[in-house]
Amino acid sequence: DAGVIQSPRHEVTEMGQEVTLRCKPISGHDYLFWYRQTMMRGLELLIYFNNNVPIDDSGMPEDRFSAKMPNASFSTLKIQPSEPRDSAVYFCASTGTSGVYNEQFFGPGTRLTVL
Amino acid sequence: KQEVTQIPAALSVPEGENLVLNCSFTDSAIYNLQWFRQDPGKGLTSLLLIQSSQREQTSGRLNASLDKSSGRSTLYIAASQPGDSATYLCAVSGGSYIPTFGRGTSLIVHP
Repeated sequence: DAGVIQSPRHEVTEMGQEVTLRCKPISGHDYLFWYRQTMMRGLELLIYFNNNVPIDDSGMPEDRFSAKMPNASFSTLKIQPSEPRDSAVYFCASTGTSGVYNEQFFGPGTRLTVL
Repeated sequence: KQEVTQIPAALSVPEGENLVLNCSFTDSAIYNLQWFRQDPGKGLTSLLLIQSSQREQTSGRLNASLDKSSGRSTLYIAASQPGDSATYLCAVSGGSYIPTFGRGTSLIVHP
């Protein structure tokens, strides 16, 4: 398996623009997580899905953030409109709970810069 | 609410030293504990995962131990090398599989 895949790897946009981040989890994994990492706040859990269903979005900072998982192999995180304080690295991770260890695997991240 | 603390926040050592990184958590009702490595500008790479029923896991020069009752885990790095320089994070998961992360220990190993 290629691991968790994220695109784009880097995104530079202007304030007010819509940003869409994409994630393909590891095949067979039933949990998908979106995180945001900044120097100030560390790694924050934004939202997670179980079997494509959003379970807890309490970490989503504002209504400007939304996430979807239309099928088991694809998820998006959208920010509309974007603001400079949204600049961060956004990670997607997945976990498979059918095995013994339930190890979490991370994607390479998307570095978002909002000017 | 689970809280995870990692001490020290930063560490700088000469090559060859044996290191101990610490992770403590407030709620001992955990399912597993995972140690990650993060290189600058990169994602998190899983190093070791310890199930709640286990006491330790080993991979090469790395050994992670878990003491649930005291809410502690340690990551031991033997014979450190400059290539070990990175940030090390621990994450604790309860029965919901949702991990709580520490802020990490930033390690520099200088030649």
